[in-house]
Amino acid sequence: EDQVTQSPEALRLQEGESSSLNCSYTVSGLRGLFWYRQDPGKGPEFLFTLYSAGEEKEKERLKATLTKKESFLHITAPKPEDSATYLCAVQASINAGNMLTFGGGTRLMVKP
Amino acid sequence: KAGVTQTPRYLIKTRGQQVTLSCSPISGHRSVSWYQQTPGQGLQFLFEYFSETQRNKGNFPGRFSGRQFSNSRSEMNVSTLELGDSALYLCASSLEFQGMAKNIQYFGAGTRLSVL
Repeated sequence: EDQVTQSPEALRLQEGESSSLNCSYTVSGLRGLFWYRQDPGKGPEFLFTLYSAGEEKEKERLKATLTKKESFLHITAPKPEDSATYLCAVQASINAGNMLTFGGGTRLMVKP
Repeated sequence: KAGVTQTPRYLIKTRGQQVTLSCSPISGHRSVSWYQQTPGQGLQFLFEYFSETQRNKGNFPGRFSGRQFSNSRSEMNVSTLELGDSALYLCASSLEFQGMAKNIQYFGAGTRLSVL
């Protein structure tokens, strides 16, 4: 069974204090790993997708990396508007269609 | 380009009733997936439709069902509602490409269902 575990569950940072969020996964045949951001009362917003170990992607203050067992979302010099829940999800095996298995999320709070 | 549209945004029902939720995917997207989000269980996959056929199904009871129309719009139905069905129901659409590999799912804002 595919499993995704995110840590920490919650993270409080001061504005400008860089940190990393972790996503550990167990899947049979990783087809893609996805990072989403979710604000309260809204649906998840797509951030990145990574397909193979060693791959990295960046967008503004965010950088996602992937190994064979985990992914990290690095946040550099965060701002209060980066406060949100960050979700990691995996897509596994060609027969699963587009089904995503999600982790529990990391709730990030950035204080000014 | 309009995003994924879900209606209604909020619903209040009582136990034993049934409910139908609607999802209009992004124009050109033919795959629609449904997810349930609760504080205790997080985001869980319900089912996926592609070309009016259910392609995959999650581990939910038969009270949860869905369908997709020829214009790719989708509906999900929950019959005999239980208190535990209170949740945010999210719809996501994706563009099929080369046999569905590496497809990104884009989510709607969800329908908040409260069962009293």
